Amino acid sequence: GIQVEQSPPDLILQEGANSTLRCNFSDSVNNLQWFHQNPWGQLINLFYIPSGTKQNGRLSATTVATERYSLLYISSSQTTDSGVYFCAVVSGGATNKLIFGTGTLLAVQP
Amino acid sequence: GAGVSQTPSNKVTEKGKYVELRCDPISGHTALYWYRQSLGQGPEFLIYFQGTGAADDSGLPNDRFFAVRPEGSVSTLKIQRTERGDSAVYLCASSPAGTSRGEQFFGPGTRLTVL
Repeated sequence: GIQVEQSPPDLILQEGANSTLRCNFSDSVNNLQWFHQNPWGQLINLFYIPSGTKQNGRLSATTVATERYSLLYISSSQTTDSGVYFCAVVSGGATNKLIFGTGTLLAVQP
Repeated sequence: GAGVSQTPSNKVTEKGKYVELRCDPISGHTALYWYRQSLGQGPEFLIYFQGTGAADDSGLPNDRFFAVRPEGSVSTLKIQRTERGDSAVYLCASSPAGTSRGEQFFGPGTRLTVL
């Protein structure tokens, strides 16, 4: 099945810093989503981005489907950005299930 | 509008007992998914419903796990003869369309602890 790898696994930032999180996947995808899992466990939708570039406030994401990777950019980080960031994909084919990466644990320090 | 809701938020049970976990999807969403998340890992797929029928149950770990969605809205995940290894957060998601391109929205989860 499709493999989803995220890097880095852990990241510590000072408040105000910028960061880039990467998601590599091993096959073509019909769906790619980025989530933020907050300290209470809630998965918050950040982007639905199987291809192209999107921006939402301090966050933006780019997926290059032909090269099988996606990037999540966080600018001017805040302590509330802390948590785990997951990339998840639905592979091309007769399936709708999301396959999650292992996540990036982000800690933003004041 | 209201998001996906799950009840209970926490469930503690003893090994061997039966449990039911409930999911209320976003109104109008035809697709419903169950995932399970163990500590330190990403969620893993269990089962997917399109309407009332289970379209893909390939993620259910064994026959102790069963899920229903009798009226095409609320779903119940049922676990028989619970084992300590079943302890995890059970997440429900819904999507407006039953296609592989549909964005999925998650509920807050039910934390199941089997003693």
